[in-house]
Amino acid sequence: QTVVTQEPSFSVSPGGTVTLTCGLSSGSVSTSSYPSWYQQTPGQAPRTLIYSTNTRSSGVPDRFSGSILGNKAALTITGAQADDECDYYCVVYMGGGISVFGGGTKLTVL
Amino acid sequence: QLQLQESGPGLVKPSETLSLTCTVSGGAISSNSYFWGWIRQPPGKGLEWIGSVYYGGSTYYNPSLKSRVSISVDTSKNQFSLKLSSVTAADTAVYNCARGNWDRYYFDYWGQGTLLTVSS
Repeated sequence: QTVVTQEPSFSVSPGGTVTLTCGLSSGSVSTSSYPSWYQQTPGQAPRTLIYSTNTRSSGVPDRFSGSILGNKAALTITGAQADDECDYYCVVYMGGGISVFGGGTKLTVL
Repeated sequence: QLQLQESGPGLVKPSETLSLTCTVSGGAISSNSYFWGWIRQPPGKGLEWIGSVYYGGSTYYNPSLKSRVSISVDTSKNQFSLKLSSVTAADTAVYNCARGNWDRYYFDYWGQGTLLTVSS
C-alpha cells in the first residue's frame, strides 16, 4: 500500500516562511491527486486549509498557500504566527474512492 | 451552517463490534454533491481515513480495515453509521465523521470527534 510521507516535524521563526511537503512512497503527487491540507490543534477537530492543490478553504488567510513542488504537494506558510504552531496533515486521493492521510507534520514556531 | 455530531458507546470490549453514528444537521445527507466519511486518530498518533459512503450507497474502505468495516446511510434520520468488527486495543481512537466534496475529494466539514476505548 502506498504511504503518504510528510516531515515529522519542522521549525519556523515568528514572521518566517516555511514549506511543508507531502509525497508518496511510490510515485508522484500531482494535481490529479487532489491534495488537501488540514490543520489540527490539540484536542480539536481538523480544520480544512487547502483543497485541490491550491484552493484555500473559506476563511483561511492568504498567508497559507498550496502548490506542487516537483513530485510533491506543498503547503507554504508565510509570516508564521505563534498560533500556527500545531499539526498539519495532507490527504492524497488515490483513485477508486480511496484517500490516504500523511503522517502529519508537527510545526513549531520559535 | 452544516454540523456533524458523532455518538457512540465510549467503551467497547475486545472482539466486539464498534458502532458509531454521525448525525448531520443544517443540510441534507442525500445530496449527490457530497460523500460522508469516517476518520480516526489513536491517542498521540496521526489521522487515518477509515472509509466513505457516496450518494447512492457506494462505499469505499481503507484496505487495511476493509475486512472489518461497514459504513451505511440512513437518509430518513439524516445520519450515517460506522461498524467495525473484532475490535482490539489498537482500535482505541478518537473517531471523527466528516463531509467530503466528491468532485475535489476533500473533507470540508468535520464533527468534533468521539473517543472510543477498547478495553475489557
